[in-house]
Amino acid sequence: DAGVIQSPRHEVTEMGQEVTLRCKPISGHNSLFWYRQTMMRGLELLIYFNNNVPIDDSGMPEDRFSAKMPNASFSTLKIQPSEPRDSAVYFCASLTWGTEAFFGQGTRLTVV
Amino acid sequence: GQQVMQIPQYQHVQEGEDFTTYCNSSTTLSNIQWYKQRPGGHPVFLIQLVKSGEVKKQKRLTFQFGEAKKNSSLHITATQTTDVGTYFCAGHGSGAGSYQLTFGKGTKLSVIP
Repeated sequence: DAGVIQSPRHEVTEMGQEVTLRCKPISGHNSLFWYRQTMMRGLELLIYFNNNVPIDDSGMPEDRFSAKMPNASFSTLKIQPSEPRDSAVYFCASLTWGTEAFFGQGTRLTVV
Repeated sequence: GQQVMQIPQYQHVQEGEDFTTYCNSSTTLSNIQWYKQRPGGHPVFLIQLVKSGEVKKQKRLTFQFGEAKKNSSLHITATQTTDVGTYFCAGHGSGAGSYQLTFGKGTKLSVIP
């Protein structure tokens, strides 16, 4: 397995634009997590899915953020409209409950 | 909700000195995991502890899980420059239907050669 695959690796966009981050989890894993990492706030859990169902989205900062998992092999995190304060590294991680989390390489988002 | 606190936030040590980071959860955990993130990289799994009072070692690293399964520590003996990075603890909740994996904010370790 190639591991958790995130795309794009880097994204630079202008304020107000829509941004879509993508994640392909490891086959067979039934939980998927989206995290955001900044120097100030560390690693923050945004939302997680279990068997493609969103379980807890209380970490999503605002209605501008939305996440979907239409099937077991794909998830998206969308920001619309984007703002400079959304600049961060966004990580996707997948796991089977009770075992280790495998992280993707991350998407470094810069909103100018 | 479940919260995991980790201290210290930063630690600067001279190469060869020991290093310890501590992790405390607001709720009882079913397990505790430790990850290392190198600068510019992503968190990578180091180890998982499941049993109350469990102690595990990986070469110079010693991991402990508290008796109440609410706290944990990572101790590095005789640090090396290759130990540089941020160390995170993370825990799965123990309640029914608790799928969340909550991370501490991490301890950033700098090693001065």
